[in-house]
Amino acid sequence: QKEVEQNSGPLSVPEGAIASLNCTYSDRGSQSFFWYRQYSGKSPELIMSIYSNGDKEDGRFTAQLNKASQYVSLLIRDSQPSDSATYLCAVNRTPGGSARQLTFGSGTQLTVLP
Amino acid sequence: GAGVSQSPRYKVAKRGQDVALRCDPISGHVSLFWYQQALGQGPEFLTYFQNEAQLDKSGLPSDRFFAERPEGSVSTLKIQRTQQEDSAVYLCASTPEGVPSYEQYFGPGTRLTVT
Repeated sequence: QKEVEQNSGPLSVPEGAIASLNCTYSDRGSQSFFWYRQYSGKSPELIMSIYSNGDKEDGRFTAQLNKASQYVSLLIRDSQPSDSATYLCAVNRTPGGSARQLTFGSGTQLTVLP
Repeated sequence: GAGVSQSPRYKVAKRGQDVALRCDPISGHVSLFWYQQALGQGPEFLTYFQNEAQLDKSGLPSDRFFAERPEGSVSTLKIQRTQQEDSAVYLCASTPEGVPSYEQYFGPGTRLTVT
């Protein structure tokens, strides 16, 4: 079992719809959770971080965390063709203290159809 | 510059050659990470520095890989006697100390192709 799992997709949604991206993780000690967007040929770009159970909204993006179920999701409302990219879920396993490395899933490829 | 910079952006090496990849983190960022990203996969951790101290190198795949950050700013990842399986994008990320210090900001990466 991989430490961070995502459906590889591709996931296709029509323009204006809600895109739902899911991620599960295996380490119950995980503390911090991130969503990165990666356009083809580019480096990952941080779009959301979430540290506690519940929802966190930022513009069209909502991250949801459920530590009991070891589940993180990203909702993209009013999806635009420019949202077409690979979305990477990342988990930091270090509680408190200094920064430590992220463990990434393989990413979900999202295509928003005009 | 405002972001993490990496050079070169592209590197082609013949099998057996040594390569050196450079990372210039965001000014003032204490922590620096190197990741390797194979095609179609998420980045995988290689090594981590806090200032000049290499605190974790558990992800380096072999003793052919070596990283340094002698003055706590610029870092170099060196790969000796490159092999075809070393072909990947090498990403550098940095993060400041303090909460939330876990947010990592990536550079554009160096795409290494070993022929």
